[in-house]
Amino acid sequence: NAGVTQTPKFQVLKTGQSMTLQCAQDMNHEYMSWYRQDPGMGLRLIHYSVGAGITDQGEVPNGYNVSRSTTEDFPLRLLSAAPSQTSVYFCASSYSNRAHYNEQFFGPGTRLTVL
Amino acid sequence: GNSVTQMEGPVTLSEEAFLTINCTYTATGYPSLFWYVQYPGEGLQLLLKATKADDKGSNKGFEATYRKETTSFHLEKGSVQVSDSAVYFCALSRAGGTSYGKLTFGQGTILTVHP
Repeated sequence: NAGVTQTPKFQVLKTGQSMTLQCAQDMNHEYMSWYRQDPGMGLRLIHYSVGAGITDQGEVPNGYNVSRSTTEDFPLRLLSAAPSQTSVYFCASSYSNRAHYNEQFFGPGTRLTVL
Repeated sequence: GNSVTQMEGPVTLSEEAFLTINCTYTATGYPSLFWYVQYPGEGLQLLLKATKADDKGSNKGFEATYRKETTSFHLEKGSVQVSDSAVYFCALSRAGGTSYGKLTFGQGTILTVHP
């Protein structure tokens, strides 16, 4: 198993550009989520999905869109990048969100810089 | 709402020293508590967890006990190694309603261990 994979590892954008961060998992996990990591603030939840076709907002959803057309993939779209979106982005998955003690598995992260 | 507070960092220790990283939380009900570790250049991985009061999670020589009376989940290790240098995150996941699967993270504590 590859686990949770993310591409790209690094990305530099100009203000106003759009891009999609890719996330895939091969563990047949129901639950997938996106977090951003900023210094001194830990990780904050952007969007999450409890299954194909179902997504919802997390703590900091503004400026980001998601969709979940398959169990495996959960891309994160930045429609018009802003410098405030400079961060490290992590995708995570878990077997099910119905048990709150389930371990979440994290991808290696995408470091995004918006100029 | 839910929140997690970790001790101010960073923490610098010599090899074989005793480690404590404090973590306190605010949440209603009975959350599950986690410690995740992030090694340089990698994503987060679960270090240990506890799902109910007085549970002790342990892994790789690290321990943490779920203390409901003090709303704490402090991480300890009796003798740290250089390879323990990483960022440590305390996190909680609440059961119920739409909270399932959502992790609330502390700010993270950078640990550096010198030979």
